[in-house]
Amino acid sequence: EIEMTQSPATLSVSPGETAILSCRASQSVSSNLAWYQQKPGQAPRLLIYYASTRASGIPGRFSGSGSGTEFTLTISGLQSEDFAVYYCQQYNNWRGTFGPGTKVESK
Amino acid sequence: QLQVQESGPGLVKPSETLSLTCNVSGGSISSGHDYWGWIRQPPGKGLEWIGSISYSWNTYYNPSLKSRATMSVDTSKNQFSLSLSSVTASDTAVYYCAHYGVIRGAIYWYFDLWGRGTLVTISS
Repeated sequence: EIEMTQSPATLSVSPGETAILSCRASQSVSSNLAWYQQKPGQAPRLLIYYASTRASGIPGRFSGSGSGTEFTLTISGLQSEDFAVYYCQQYNNWRGTFGPGTKVESK
Repeated sequence: QLQVQESGPGLVKPSETLSLTCNVSGGSISSGHDYWGWIRQPPGKGLEWIGSISYSWNTYYNPSLKSRATMSVDTSKNQFSLSLSSVTASDTAVYYCAHYGVIRGAIYWYFDLWGRGTLVTISS
């Protein structure tokens, strides 16, 4: 099983600033990496797939990068609605695994 | 617009079988190359993939569930279902059904559409 780790566990950011979230896979997943946003009491929402492709309707301030084992989600000009938990998921095969999540909170 | 929505009992007794249904609307469950999945999230914790199924009943399950999970499809009702047997308190979670990404007829194992989720509590 491919294990996913995310850092930091919690990120304190002020509105308008840039948040950089990291995700690491225990082995190469090529570019088969997705990012999800989850707000309290809501289902996760797909933000990014194929490491850097924004899903439909996702604002341009969300960007993804990386390949192999190291990935980054960048949120530029953080807005109040962006405070949430972010999960990465590798989908190199049918047994996709999620990272433990990074909580982005208001500083 | 494709939508999915979970339904089922919110309370299940230990050692019994948890049964959930996901209703698909805005599209046919048996069209094309679609796969459908279940994911769960214990209270305050992260996401765990449970399993996946296609309209033709091709299935994949998380080995960590040790064969307790079974998924099925009912094309006449445009639904798919999850059964989880011999449940314990550790199976208490919000259960989500979801749709997998499909690009130009090829399946990609990320989830592009999620239901709202349903909380299932295991307790006597």
